[in-house]
Amino acid sequence: DVKVTQSSRYLVKRTGEKVFLECVQDMDHENMFWYRQDPGLGLRLIYFSYDVKMKEKGDIPEGYSVSREKKERFSLILESASTNQTSMYLCASRPGQGLIGELFFGEGSRLTVL
Amino acid sequence: KNQVEQSPQSLIILEGKNCTLQCNYTVSPFSNLRWYKQDTGRGPVSLTIMTFSENTKSNGRYTATLDADTKQSSLHITASQLSDSASYICVVSGGAGNNRKLIWGLGTSLAVNP
Repeated sequence: DVKVTQSSRYLVKRTGEKVFLECVQDMDHENMFWYRQDPGLGLRLIYFSYDVKMKEKGDIPEGYSVSREKKERFSLILESASTNQTSMYLCASRPGQGLIGELFFGEGSRLTVL
Repeated sequence: KNQVEQSPQSLIILEGKNCTLQCNYTVSPFSNLRWYKQDTGRGPVSLTIMTFSENTKSNGRYTATLDADTKQSSLHITASQLSDSASYICVVSGGAGNNRKLIWGLGTSLAVNP
């Protein structure tokens, strides 16, 4: 079975803290994505990567950065967490080129910033 | 503007009944449309993909339709089960050049009651 694993299901952080969200996939997929999901706003793309050490901004990259040092691992970093970053964060991976392929999602990381 | 709208926003049905969820889009040019199921607190899982030339596709009790002329898709669930309680999200891929991307709907929340 394909597997995307996110390191933490639930996190509680304080405003100004640095937050790392880790994601690992075991499917040898080229593409990896970070989304956030909020009620009434749906899924919004933060960053994506189509290769090791490559990254592209999504629709809402402000306040976030990413790292992809190995093909299987894609990390999302909140340099200084703020309360408006309280959300469900979803990591996904997809094989190949283009937009046809299925996205495989992790279980999600619910972050609360106090 | 490329948009995906889903209706109804939420739906409650009794176990064993059928239901139909709607997805209307204004994405151009259109590439494909995919339906995802998202259980509460989990990541989305793909149910089916519809390409331009496909009108109907089934996956067990789930049947998706696509009318590319009217830019509408539906997801029909037959003989609903309690485990069908979830959010169903429609996502369209399309757009031209640097605007090629996935456009997500906000989802329909389905509750199946005994």
